[in-house]
Amino acid sequence: ETGVTQSPTHLIKTRGQQVTLRCSSQSGHNTVSWYQQALGQGPQFIFQYYREEENGRGNFPPRFSGLQFPNYSSELNVNALELDDSALYLCASSLGQGDSPLHFGNGTRLTVT
Amino acid sequence: QQQVKQSPQSLIVQKGGISIINCAYENTAFDYFPWYQQFPGKGPALLIAIRPDVSEKKEGRFTISFNKSAKQFSLHIMDSQPGDSATYFCAASMASGTYKYIFGTGTRLKVLA
Repeated sequence: ETGVTQSPTHLIKTRGQQVTLRCSSQSGHNTVSWYQQALGQGPQFIFQYYREEENGRGNFPPRFSGLQFPNYSSELNVNALELDDSALYLCASSLGQGDSPLHFGNGTRLTVT
Repeated sequence: QQQVKQSPQSLIVQKGGISIINCAYENTAFDYFPWYQQFPGKGPALLIAIRPDVSEKKEGRFTISFNKSAKQFSLHIMDSQPGDSATYFCAASMASGTYKYIFGTGTRLKVLA
């Protein structure tokens, strides 16, 4: 059983650019959530996808967008990057909805200069 | 109302000692309370979780104590080991809607050999 995998592991972008982060969910999991973890802070919920539909969104602007594919993998897209977008972006998968535990990947470290 | 407050921010414990981390919440709709362990460069990993219908849950050296009336819960690590040195996050979610996790700000635990 493979866990949650994210790519790339590290990324450096310039302010104003766009970035796409990718996530493969754990085998059998159909729900993917994305979290932003700033240095020294707890993860903050960005949004969740269930069966290819957005199923809730946190307090993030529309320039943060996502997709979920039929194989349940997912992408996080961020447009018009700002310096404050520098963070660890975590993808988590879970089985269905409800209180199924979140299983996190190791994240993508994004640095915006 | 959506916050989860975690303390202490950092904790140093001698090997063999008991580590205690506390969390408090306001929203009584929360009904699932997991604890995650995060090592540097890794994503958070589920350690143990509890629902409000029980006051305590134990798994190996890790115990969650839950006080529903006080809206507080805590993680106890018995016989703490240097390998337990990591950052610990409490979280809360509700079994309706988006099932997003609200994370605490984390506790950096260092266990001295």
